[in-house]
Amino acid sequence: GQSLEQPSEVTAVEGAIVQINCTYQTSGFYGLSWYQQHDGGAPTFLSYNALDGLEETGRFSSFLSRSDSYGYLLLQELQMKDSASYFCAVSVNDYKLSFGAGTTVTVRA
Amino acid sequence: DAGITQSPRHKVTETGTPVTLRCHQTENHRYMYWYRQDPGHGLRLIHYSYGVKDTDKGEVSDGYSVSRSKTEDFLLTLESATSSQTSVYFCAISEALAGVNEQYFGPGTRLTVT
Repeated sequence: GQSLEQPSEVTAVEGAIVQINCTYQTSGFYGLSWYQQHDGGAPTFLSYNALDGLEETGRFSSFLSRSDSYGYLLLQELQMKDSASYFCAVSVNDYKLSFGAGTTVTVRA
Repeated sequence: DAGITQSPRHKVTETGTPVTLRCHQTENHRYMYWYRQDPGHGLRLIHYSYGVKDTDKGEVSDGYSVSRSKTEDFLLTLESATSSQTSVYFCAISEALAGVNEQYFGPGTRLTVT
């Protein structure tokens, strides 16, 4: 089976940097994804890491260490619109995902 | 945005009644998924499909069945709804290209079983 651990809540002020950690234990591993979900909305894809290292997409970056079974999502220059839930998800093969319970990020003015 | 619709968007039903949720895509993606989302549990896979008439169970499949008779439609059926199936249900699609399983989600169906 799969288990993923991520913090349940994070609060930060506008302009700050937030790091959401994700540790996983899986029977198969192809890569680690991150999804964003605003309240009442559908999850949307943010990033995918298959290899160790940092992937940067604008204000968001994602990191993976396969040897440590660990990854993180880095949100920089926080904006109010970044208030949302963020889910890490492990690709257990090339078509199935297993999701973490999610981290609620609250951005304060 | 990927063309995925779900119907109905909201439904209230009574315990013991059958319920069918529909997911429709216009992207011709091979893979389709049904998830449920409950507080504290994230998204949990119920069933998925890898082609017409090809389906398999996810981690929380008990009490649910699915069918896919056309590429564009994936139906989720609760044969006899229970209060524990009160949840938000999301459909997702994927083409799983180049090893990146980027999934696109529909708007969700909020189901309440009374």
